[in-house]
Amino acid sequence: DAGITQSPRHKVTETGTPVTLRCHQTENHRYMYWYRQDPGHGLRLIHYSYGVKDTDKGEVSDGYSVSRSKTEDFLLTLESATSSQTSVYFCAISEAGEDGYTFGSGTRLTVV
Amino acid sequence: QQQVKQSPQSLIVQKGGISIINCAYENTAFDYFPWYQQFPGKGPALLIAIRPDVSEKKEGRFTISFNKSAKQFSLHIMDSQPGDSATYFCAGGRPGANNLFFGTGTRLTVIP
Repeated sequence: DAGITQSPRHKVTETGTPVTLRCHQTENHRYMYWYRQDPGHGLRLIHYSYGVKDTDKGEVSDGYSVSRSKTEDFLLTLESATSSQTSVYFCAISEAGEDGYTFGSGTRLTVV
Repeated sequence: QQQVKQSPQSLIVQKGGISIINCAYENTAFDYFPWYQQFPGKGPALLIAIRPDVSEKKEGRFTISFNKSAKQFSLHIMDSQPGDSATYFCAGGRPGANNLFFGTGTRLTVIP
């Protein structure tokens, strides 16, 4: 999607290892989000950011941490990956928090 | 708890038919109701959105109907086409919330 890039697109990792996913935007939007998508659960918010170094938890934040040191980058870290964190992770950006989002193309993470 | 409830989970429609997806919300502070469309391997993309000051919004073959008193809104896809086959998410947003609350998604299949 134009203006927002997620990396990597696919990753396989072992249980217990740390993993970092990156979201990069070129739109200078204030808000950035990390969601996970799982069958039957839709999109669930993990963490979000409303500015540099300003972050807050979402509904499924346990086992995840985030950092935003620059407007354009939002990192999601799985501190010690578990099989329950196997999912597709989406980053999204927004100018105004409750308004329309632009999503990235997703990262498919498999924890074995 | 799920702040936006979406149904059905899956839907099969013949080409040329009408696809209807329903959502209900509890939080009366919600004032923004978008619908997202997601194709396999892609991130969700904003399709159409409505605010409570109108009861209906139409964009091409896609219409949102909004019933404020019932706290329900629905997406109608007229003259459904195989290219409409995708997963659709409804969402709700409220001022100051900094994020959207998504439904669990509806997988639409349009049969030629």
